[in-house]
Amino acid sequence: EIVLTQSPAILSLSPGERATLSCGASQSVTSNYLAWYQQKPGLAPRLLIYDASSRATDIPDRFSGSVSGTDFTLTISRLEPEDFAVYYCHQYTSSPRTFGQGTKVEIK
Amino acid sequence: QLQLQESGSGLVKPSQTLSLTCTVSGGSINSGGYSWSWIRQPPGKGLEWIGYVYYSGSTKYNPSLKSRVTISADRSKNQFSLKLTSVTAADTAVYYCAREGTEGLDYWGQGTLVTVSS
Repeated sequence: EIVLTQSPAILSLSPGERATLSCGASQSVTSNYLAWYQQKPGLAPRLLIYDASSRATDIPDRFSGSVSGTDFTLTISRLEPEDFAVYYCHQYTSSPRTFGQGTKVEIK
Repeated sequence: QLQLQESGSGLVKPSQTLSLTCTVSGGSINSGGYSWSWIRQPPGKGLEWIGYVYYSGSTKYNPSLKSRVTISADRSKNQFSLKLTSVTAADTAVYYCAREGTEGLDYWGQGTLVTVSS
C-alpha cells in the first residue's frame, strides 16, 4: 500500500499569499498518477490536479502541481478568499487507492 | 454533464448491513476505461477509499474492509451499489460515489450521511 503523507496539517496564510502544500509517497507512484482535491465544508471533494501536474477542467491557473521523485507539491500562487479549504492528495496508480490525511488552508 | 447521486438508508443498526446505490446520469457506466468507486469520510476526518467496480465488472476493495464489502453494478439501471455488512459505529460516515478514470476521481456525488446507531 502506498502511504501518502501531507504537510503541513494546517497552513495559516492571508489572501494574496502563496501556498505550498506537500505530499510525500512511501514508494514510487507509477505514471505520476497522483491527484489533488479541494474540499469545502459540507461539499464533495473537487478535482484540481491530475497526473501530478495537469489542471482539471475549469481550474484556475493559480493552481499548479509538480513532482520530484516521490514528493508532490500543490502550489496556489495567490490565495483567493474561495481557496481557503482542505486539500487532499490521492494516488490512483495501485490498489488500494489511498489519500493523504489532508492540509487545511486557513485564513491568518 | 455526468451526474452521480447516492441513495439509501441514512440510519443503520449495529451488526446490520449498510446498503447504498449510486445512480449515474448523463453517461453510461458501461463506458470503457472507468471505475465506479465508493469513498467515505467519517465526521471531521479524512477520506477513505472503499473500492470500485470496473466497467468490465471486476472489483477491487480496500483490504481493511474487504471481508465486509461488496460493490456491484446494475447496467440496466445505470447504477452501482455498495453493501457493507456487520456495521459498527466506526462505519458512521458520509459516503460518496465517484467515477475514476485516467484523470483520477473526476466526478463525485454529493455524498450521503450514514449513521450507525441503535
